[in-house]
Amino acid sequence: GNSVTQMEGPVTLSEEAFLTINCTYTATGYPSLFWYVQYPGEGLQLLLKATKADDKGSNKGFEATYRKETTSFHLEKGSVQVSDSAVYFCALSVLTGGFKTIFGAGTRLFVKA
Amino acid sequence: EAQVTQNPRYLITVTGKKLTVTCSQNMNHEYMSWYRQDPGLGLRQIYYSMNVEVTDKGDVPEGYKVSRKEKRNFPLILESPSPNQTSLYFCASSSSGAVRNTEAFFGQGTRLTVV
Repeated sequence: GNSVTQMEGPVTLSEEAFLTINCTYTATGYPSLFWYVQYPGEGLQLLLKATKADDKGSNKGFEATYRKETTSFHLEKGSVQVSDSAVYFCALSVLTGGFKTIFGAGTRLFVKA
Repeated sequence: EAQVTQNPRYLITVTGKKLTVTCSQNMNHEYMSWYRQDPGLGLRQIYYSMNVEVTDKGDVPEGYKVSRKEKRNFPLILESPSPNQTSLYFCASSSSGAVRNTEAFFGQGTRLTVV
């Protein structure tokens, strides 16, 4: 089946610290991979994506690389800011018997000044 | 402005009283879906629609209905709500033209409480 597993939170960091949020997946077929971010009181919005192996998605200083050999798509940022505090969701999309997007459970990030 | 609009944002209702949450998108997207978000469970898909008059069950469809009579609208119907349907609901839409690049656009959410 299709599933996404991401590290449990909350993750608490000081400003300018390095961030890694782990994400691994299982999929039937060849998925596209996404990271979405949810700020307080808002819906999810796309942060970055990658559609094939070894692709690197990047946006706002965040990066993630599609690793097919380890079925992973870890999110990283070199220096977090207080404004990065949010919930981050890893997701995959596959076209198997219908177009489906599967989300991980979400990881809440708190960044302290 | 491209957007997905859900209404209402907040709703408190009683067990068994039928309700509808509306969702509308202005991007001419073919694909629309409903999710519920619960702590520790992430987003789970309730129903989705590939186009007008085409709907299918997601992972947690029990207790919900949907319809897709127009491309822009995809209402979620709870015929007889129960307390276990208390949750945060999101509508999303995307273009199905290029599945591998398809980004989902989300509404702001509807927080439903069933007492």
